[in-house]
Amino acid sequence: SYVLTQPPSVSVAPGQTARITCGGNNIGSKSVHWYQQKPGQAPVLVVYDDSDRPSGIPERFSGSNSGNTATLTISRVEAGDEADYYCQVWDSSSDHPYVFGTGTKVTVL
Amino acid sequence: EVQLVESGGGLVQPGRSLRLSCAASGFTFDDYAMHWVRQAPGKGLEWVSGISWNSGSIGYADSVKGRFTISRDNAKNSLYLQMNSLRAEDTALYYCAKEATLGGGVIVTRWFDPWGQGTLVTVSS
Repeated sequence: SYVLTQPPSVSVAPGQTARITCGGNNIGSKSVHWYQQKPGQAPVLVVYDDSDRPSGIPERFSGSNSGNTATLTISRVEAGDEADYYCQVWDSSSDHPYVFGTGTKVTVL
Repeated sequence: EVQLVESGGGLVQPGRSLRLSCAASGFTFDDYAMHWVRQAPGKGLEWVSGISWNSGSIGYADSVKGRFTISRDNAKNSLYLQMNSLRAEDTALYYCAKEATLGGGVIVTRWFDPWGQGTLVTVSS
């Protein structure tokens, strides 16, 4: 089945830019979705279809996807962005089509 | 406002059964596929099962296949997960999630939005 690999942790100072990667074989050919999960809360969609934002998500959240790596970028990081972030793809050719990444803990210093 | 409210979790002994429910509101329930996703304590997200709008298409993760059964009642705007032969490794927070899709005649991709708050299942003797 398809595997998505994320770095376990990313640390960033307030006001700086955080980049969270999601690696997968030819992931650029798939659509990638990103979820934010704050402690004790359910996941919330922050980016879908590589780079689109749901209503209510700040423009500071953006996504890109090419080759073997998708990236979620958080600009002008705020303390409230501290959370776990997961990427996800739908692999239509697989018996296990809904795949999540391993998750990345973003710490705001 | 779309709302998903899970219930039915609790402490259960290994080998026993439990039935989870998810009450949906704020959208036309029978227009959408629905899913269960779980998260073991301190771990990542794992897709468990999904069901199409008319129950015509159902899927399970290998880890639960043959033990769990997903179902829905569109008249009651409800999603269910019957969990049998529970194991310690099934201990997790179980989320109900509404599926979103991109594409008209041919679905290009699928994702989950929104999610419920989850119901905790603990399997222990």
